[in-house]
Amino acid sequence: EAGVVQSPRYKIIEKKQPVAFWCNPISGHNTLYWYRQNLGQGPELLIRYENEEAVDDSQLPKDRFSAERLKGVDSTLKIQPAELGDSAVYLCASVPRYQETQYFGPGTRLLVL
Amino acid sequence: SQQGEEDPQALSIQEGENATMNCSYKTSINNLQWYRQNSGRGLVHLILIRSNEREKHSGRLRVTLDTSKKSSSLLITASRAADTASYFCATKAGGADGLTFGKGTHLIIQP
Repeated sequence: EAGVVQSPRYKIIEKKQPVAFWCNPISGHNTLYWYRQNLGQGPELLIRYENEEAVDDSQLPKDRFSAERLKGVDSTLKIQPAELGDSAVYLCASVPRYQETQYFGPGTRLLVL
Repeated sequence: SQQGEEDPQALSIQEGENATMNCSYKTSINNLQWYRQNSGRGLVHLILIRSNEREKHSGRLRVTLDTSKKSSSLLITASRAADTASYFCATKAGGADGLTFGKGTHLIIQP
């Protein structure tokens, strides 16, 4: 079984530029999460999807962050414009229906200069 | 915001020794999970313990949960070099909620 796929793995951009991250969850997993992990910290939830519906986006900074999960499969997280403080690892995780274990992708490491 | 706080922040032991990490949290939970993260990689689920359970085992892992003290511990027995990683506890308040992670314990196993 293929795991959660994220791309790109690394991204370096200048501040004020836009950036997008892509996540392909494990086939059949209906719940998808985006987390942000700062250096030396644990992941912090940004948004949770149940199928194509964003059911918890209370932690998503909506002035510059947006996300979508068209057709309830792949998901894209976007930052526009990026700020220096956005440098972090962005993790995607998926969960099968009726289960608790989260399956994480390798993450996208973002560096904003 | 982060609910869990792991202790210690870093731990270095010799291969073959046991490693114990603790996690404290602040609010009521539905379950508590432990994850491992190797450097530059994603997180891997280790074990889940529900609020009505007190102890759980999986291979060389033993997890305890004390809801009265709002704390959990992860014991890794007979440690191996491959156990070197960061370990995070994560709490789930309700069945439909996301996970709230602690800051992690960085474990180094010296050969």
